[in-house]
Amino acid sequence: EDQVTQSPEALRLQEGESSSLNCSYTVSGLRGLFWYRQDPGKGPEFLFTLYSAGEEKEKERLKATLTKKESFLHITAPKPEDSATYLCAVLSTYYGNNRLAFGKGNQVVVIP
Amino acid sequence: NAGVTQTPKFQVLKTGQSMTLQCAQDMNHEYMSWYRQDPGMGLRLIHYSVGAGITDQGEVPNGYNVSRSTTEDFPLRLLSAAPSQTSVYFCASSYRVGVPSYEQYFGPGTRLTVT
Repeated sequence: EDQVTQSPEALRLQEGESSSLNCSYTVSGLRGLFWYRQDPGKGPEFLFTLYSAGEEKEKERLKATLTKKESFLHITAPKPEDSATYLCAVLSTYYGNNRLAFGKGNQVVVIP
Repeated sequence: NAGVTQTPKFQVLKTGQSMTLQCAQDMNHEYMSWYRQDPGMGLRLIHYSVGAGITDQGEVPNGYNVSRSTTEDFPLRLLSAAPSQTSVYFCASSYRVGVPSYEQYFGPGTRLTVT
């Protein structure tokens, strides 16, 4: 069964204190890995898609990387506005059908 | 553009009642989908559509129906509400199918409580 595990579940950071979020997965036939940001009471907002091991994507203070078993979302010098829940999702194929599995999220609080 | 809109924002139903959650997008997106989000669980796909007139089941389709008569609208129908359907429901859309379908724009959500 496909599994997506995000760690840590919750993280408190001081403003400017860089850190990384982890998304580990066990799937067959990985087709893509997605990162979303979700603010309280709102829908997820798309951040990145990663397709193959070794790929990296950046956006402002966020950088996503992918290996064969996990992805990291690095937050460099975070600001309070980076406080959110970050969701990881993995797309795989199973007997020719696409399957998308979301992790439970990494809740990040950045303290001024 | 308004993006993806959902109505209502909040709803309380009694067990056995039926209702329709509305979703509309004004971006001419092909791909639309419905998810539910429950505490301690990841988002789970209910139904999706790759274009007008085409729908398919996701991971948790039981108790829900969908139709897609236009590109813009993708309503979700609860046939006979049950307490297990208490959740936050999100509609999402994407401008193309295939792997990029999952680079989605999400609506603000509908918080549904079934008593």
